[in-house]
Amino acid sequence: DTGVSQDPRHKITKRGQNVTFRCDPISEHNRLYWYRQTLGQGPEFLTYFQNEAQLEKSRLLSDRFSAERPKGSFSTLEIQRTEQGDSAMYLCASSGYRVEVAGGLYEQYFGPGTRLTVT
Amino acid sequence: DQQVKQNSPSLSVQEGRISILNCDYTNSMFDYFLWYKKYPAEGPTFLISISSIKDKNEDGRFTVFLNKSAKHLSLHIVPSQPGDSAVYFCAASKDSGYALNFGKGTSLLVTP
Repeated sequence: DTGVSQDPRHKITKRGQNVTFRCDPISEHNRLYWYRQTLGQGPEFLTYFQNEAQLEKSRLLSDRFSAERPKGSFSTLEIQRTEQGDSAMYLCASSGYRVEVAGGLYEQYFGPGTRLTVT
Repeated sequence: DQQVKQNSPSLSVQEGRISILNCDYTNSMFDYFLWYKKYPAEGPTFLISISSIKDKNEDGRFTVFLNKSAKHLSLHIVPSQPGDSAVYFCAASKDSGYALNFGKGTSLLVTP
């Protein structure tokens, strides 16, 4: 299976610590996205990359959050000085251009997520 | 501000019948729409998408209908199966490949 993978699947950390998550996209996909999901809500967009360029960042992405995709392949999301409000599922998705679909389309495929608990 | 709304938190349907999940959006700039299915502790699984140049897209048991004038879309599942029981999310964006805006989801239960 060559789907999107995320590591770790679960992370428990104490308030004030830094955490880093990794996402490996589907190999031929050039776009990579980060979302956050809390209980009872749909996923909320954080940021996305096309190759190594970070093209858009949500206002949800505070200064404590940083994302990188240094070689246009895997990506990391770092949260500095974690707060209890950062507890959530962090989802990564990737997409590639499907020219065979009428009009051409990018469809986002999600990984299993990283569950962060800040105590 | 919630730009994508799924007003039914839950839906229960008998096996073999049709499931209809609804979604409304407020942003007239949205022109690409998707449905995802999610099981607990897993990431969303892509089901089907539609762009604003179409009003219907079909893939097996799943059909998505788009009514642009009403800013409304729906997902039809026929026939419904117990394995379809999951949370279904509607999502929209200004173009394919851009940030998705999700609804809060509808929990579908298909009973035998």
